[in-house]
Amino acid sequence: GEDVEQSLFLSVREGDSSVINCTYTDSSSTYLYWYKQEPGAGLQLLTYIFSNMDMKQDQRLTVLLNKKDKHLSLRIADTQTGDSAIYFCAEITGQAGTALIFGKGTTLSVSS
Amino acid sequence: GAVVSQHPSRVICKSGTSVKIECRSLDFQATTMFWYRQFPKQSLMLMATSNEGSKATYEQGVEKDKFLINHASLTLSTLTVTSAHPEDSSFYICSAPGQGVGQETQYFGPGTRLLVL
Repeated sequence: GEDVEQSLFLSVREGDSSVINCTYTDSSSTYLYWYKQEPGAGLQLLTYIFSNMDMKQDQRLTVLLNKKDKHLSLRIADTQTGDSAIYFCAEITGQAGTALIFGKGTTLSVSS
Repeated sequence: GAVVSQHPSRVICKSGTSVKIECRSLDFQATTMFWYRQFPKQSLMLMATSNEGSKATYEQGVEKDKFLINHASLTLSTLTVTSAHPEDSSFYICSAPGQGVGQETQYFGPGTRLLVL
């Protein structure tokens, strides 16, 4: 079956790097996503990666994909207090345009 | 980028009443939209897939007679929670995939917070 797992909490100091990890079980995942959700708000797409890639960088964000281990990570460089939020890992296992399967979310707390 | 809106953003209703939530794609067409539900401090769970011009597809355990979905046009899907009960209180979020080569991008609405008293 399909399952996406994340650690529930991460606490870092401002200026440090944050690494949020995610594992998934379905080897047929085609796209993997990272979304950010601030309290009481909807989802903001941060970035996504196609399954035939192993890395994608976008400004402070770096996504690493280890397809063999079914492991996805999101690294946030120079973490700021405004980065405090819940981060969801999600996947699509079918063709593009199908529904996402979400992990339970990682709460990132950034202290100054 | 593409925008998806939801209305209302927040609604409080009495137990037994029905509530309609709208999901609109503002600058693109969406033949498919997805409805998710998120309970406090939990993940998003897919409820149903809304298909323009045909019946919605519901996930296992979601009652189609309770959560009525109508995809009346290429830019609008509605979710009606019928005979709402306190256990239906949740955060309801819709999404729509982009068009053409952008289908891998899913655009989410801002969500509707429903509180049933």
